[in-house]
Amino acid sequence: DGGITQSPKYLFRKEGQNVTLSCEQNLNHDAMYWYRQDPGQGLRLIYYSQIVNDFQKGDIAEGYSVSREKKESFPLTVTSAQKNPTAFYLCASSGQGVYNEQFFGPGTRLTVL
Amino acid sequence: AQSVTQLGSHVSVSEGALVLLRCNYSSSVPPYLFWYVQYPNQGLQLLLKYTSAATLVKGINGFEAEFKKSETSFHLTKPSAHMSDAAEYFCAVSGARSGNTPLVFGKGTRLSVIA
Repeated sequence: DGGITQSPKYLFRKEGQNVTLSCEQNLNHDAMYWYRQDPGQGLRLIYYSQIVNDFQKGDIAEGYSVSREKKESFPLTVTSAQKNPTAFYLCASSGQGVYNEQFFGPGTRLTVL
Repeated sequence: AQSVTQLGSHVSVSEGALVLLRCNYSSSVPPYLFWYVQYPNQGLQLLLKYTSAATLVKGINGFEAEFKKSETSFHLTKPSAHMSDAAEYFCAVSGARSGNTPLVFGKGTRLSVIA
């Protein structure tokens, strides 16, 4: 059953801690994306990767880091430099189809205590 | 460059009434357009997409959208709202034949359905 998994679903972080959000896909997609969602602000792009071992900053990359060592995996680390990390984080992927349709995971809700 | 404007952050309709969610886009190249739906605390699910094959696009759950180039619009409609349609809806755009590049999303419209 192909799809995108994100873990954990809920994550709590103390101020000053780094945390890593997991995103795995078994769709054989080349590209993967991380978005942040806040109420009333839609989806804002954090990072994206079009190929293994390469990634680009999105609109709000400050305070975040990523890696893409495997095609299936695109973890996101929220560092202590991110001043307001409480949000809903969505991972997505897209394949070689020309329509650029993105498939989304179920999301991780991060709360800073 | 592309951008999307969704008119109305919150739309409320009665059950059985017409649903109309507005989306206007800007694109310097021929666009591909998408509507996604999001239920609370879930990811986004594709409702429908315009890929230049036909201007009237039918999607899941009885939704459809019409691409109007002259108006740069891609409004989402459903003839009769159901309680289960209550969710947040996002319009998105990408450049046609742009490959695996990020979609540009609107800020979303929350649809409420009143019994």
